Amino acid sequence: QQQVKQSPQSLIVQKGGISIINCAYENTAFDYFPWYQQFPGKGPALLIAIRPDVSEKKEGRFTISFNKSAKQFSLHIMDSQPGDSATYFCAASIRIQGAQKLVFGQGTRLTINP
Amino acid sequence: NAGVTQTPKFQVLKTGQSMTLQCAQDMNHEYMSWYRQDPGMGLRLIHYSVGAGITDQGEVPNGYNVSRSTTEDFPLRLLSAAPSQTSVYFCASSRRQGLYEQYFGPGTRLTVT
Repeated sequence: QQQVKQSPQSLIVQKGGISIINCAYENTAFDYFPWYQQFPGKGPALLIAIRPDVSEKKEGRFTISFNKSAKQFSLHIMDSQPGDSATYFCAASIRIQGAQKLVFGQGTRLTINP
Repeated sequence: NAGVTQTPKFQVLKTGQSMTLQCAQDMNHEYMSWYRQDPGMGLRLIHYSVGAGITDQGEVPNGYNVSRSTTEDFPLRLLSAAPSQTSVYFCASSRRQGLYEQYFGPGTRLTVT
């Protein structure tokens, strides 16, 4: 119930294409949905986040689409560039036993071919 | 600001050895946490702390201990290393009011033989 399921595990996209990564959850108590980007040898860094009362959030080439009824959310990267090659994690925030926690998806390794 | 720092960057241990992974942050964040990252399993929460003197278990706490004597430091202790603890360990911190925005350290790659 506290899981976030992410797909695909890996993704290869041509430069200039659209990269799409999907996540699904079951627990309606999740209250925030961030995406993290991780480059090799580095720690993850917050990329973009959305509240469940918003259906879409856009920041530059990165867009989160949120479907509350389907309990799904996705990251779209428009005009994908080789510099976007990284591992992406979706996550969901939840309050459990008085403490806020972040639950991560399994990760997607994105490769953008030049 | 240095952000979140972790030492060491790499470590090799033999089964049964103990060690401490260090984590420090200079952003005055209340919330600190330890994750382990394994292929295909994402980031799993080991232990977390909501402030100095307060710690609690996460999803995979067995074999690890933590303490939080200051706001800045949150060390992770491996009591008796096992090959199953081979992983990359990340420390993270955040403001209590903005937990979804966690700041991660560069990680420690641990191998247990």
